[in-house]
Formats: sequence, C-alpha cells, structure tokens
Amino acid sequence: EAGVVQSPRYKIIEKKQPVAFWCNPISGHNTLYWYLQNLGQGPELLIRYENEEAVDDSQLPKDRFSAERLKGVDSTLKIQPAELGDSAVYLCASSVSGSSYEQYFGPGTRLTVT
Amino acid sequence: QKEVEQDPGPLSVPEGAIVSLNCTYSNSAFQYFMWYRQYSRKGPELLMYTYSSGNKEDGRFTAQVDKSSKYISLFIRDSQPSDSATYLCAMTDTGFQKLVFGTGTRLLVSP
Repeated sequence: EAGVVQSPRYKIIEKKQPVAFWCNPISGHNTLYWYLQNLGQGPELLIRYENEEAVDDSQLPKDRFSAERLKGVDSTLKIQPAELGDSAVYLCASSVSGSSYEQYFGPGTRLTVT
Repeated sequence: QKEVEQDPGPLSVPEGAIVSLNCTYSNSAFQYFMWYRQYSRKGPELLMYTYSSGNKEDGRFTAQVDKSSKYISLFIRDSQPSDSATYLCAMTDTGFQKLVFGTGTRLLVSP
C-alpha cells in the first residue's frame, strides 16, 4: 500500500515569492493534516481536513497561508508571499476518520526562503 | 510551560543497550499516547500508540504510560545502530482536538 505522497521534496525560493505544496494521502483516509516542523522541534498542526471540510485551521496564518482539498483526496498548501521565517519542513499526514492517534506522515517538503 | 516536555538529547548508547526515552505532560485530558521515529530528512513514522495507562509491547519496543504522574516512556531493548533517529512523543485527548508533539529526543546507537 502506498504511503502519503508529497511533492516537491525540496523547494528554494526568494522571499515574497509564492510557493505551493501538494499532498496525496493514503487511500481511504478521510482525514488529512498539514503540519509545520521547525528544526529541533516537533510538528505543529496548521490545518486538519475531514473530507473536503477544514475542521481545524486555527493555527493557519491566514494572511499568507491557504489550503484546499478539492474532492476530498489531494490537498494543496500555499504560501503567498513567503517570508524568511517560513523556512521549515511542511509535513502532510492522513488517518482514518476518528483515528487521529494513528496518523501516517509523508516525507515532507523542505522549504528554504532566501 | 509547554504542554509536552521531552529531553532533546542527544542520547548516546552502545549497541545492545537498553534505551529509555521519556516525556512529561501537563494536560490531564490526554488519553492517547504515541511514539514516532523520525530519521534524518524523513517524515515521522508511527511506532506504537497506547490508550490510557499501562504498558504495550511490540518486538523490542515497550511503551509505558503513567497517567498519575503524567509521564510516558518508550523502552528499546537490544538497541541497534539502525535505531539511531529522533524519537517524538505525541498525545491527544479523546475528542482528538489536537495532536501535541514533544520536541523529540535524538538517539545515537554506536556499533
């Protein structure tokens, strides 16, 4: 069974440029999560989807970050414009609905903003 | 004060040693406790989860939860160089409102 797929794996952009990350969850997983992981820290939740609905986006900086999950499968996280402080690893995870204790993570996208 | 505290390490042990990794937490509503392993430049990999208090064993790994002390542990028996990674604890309440992670402990197992 394929795991969570993310692309790109690495991205280098200049500040003020836009960037987008893509995630394909495990088949059958209705819940999808986007996390931010800074160096030496644990992941922090940005947004959680149940199918197409964003049920928890309280930690998403909405002035520059946006996300969508059309058709309840793939998801895209966008930053516009990027700032130096956005340099981090962006992780996508998925789980069966009601089983957030059993989340499976993708490899992440390492973003560097110069 | 963070909700979940975890010693960042690094923790260096020789091959074959028993490793003890720990987390403390402050939120008494937490009921599910998870351990993830994260290799360099990889995503976290779920090792095991435990509901409420008690022990759970999976091969060389044993997870313990002591809710009265708000303290969880992961023991690794007969540690191997391939166990060298960062170990993250995570926990959530029964409402699954949020998964809270520790900062991770970096483990180095030398041959």
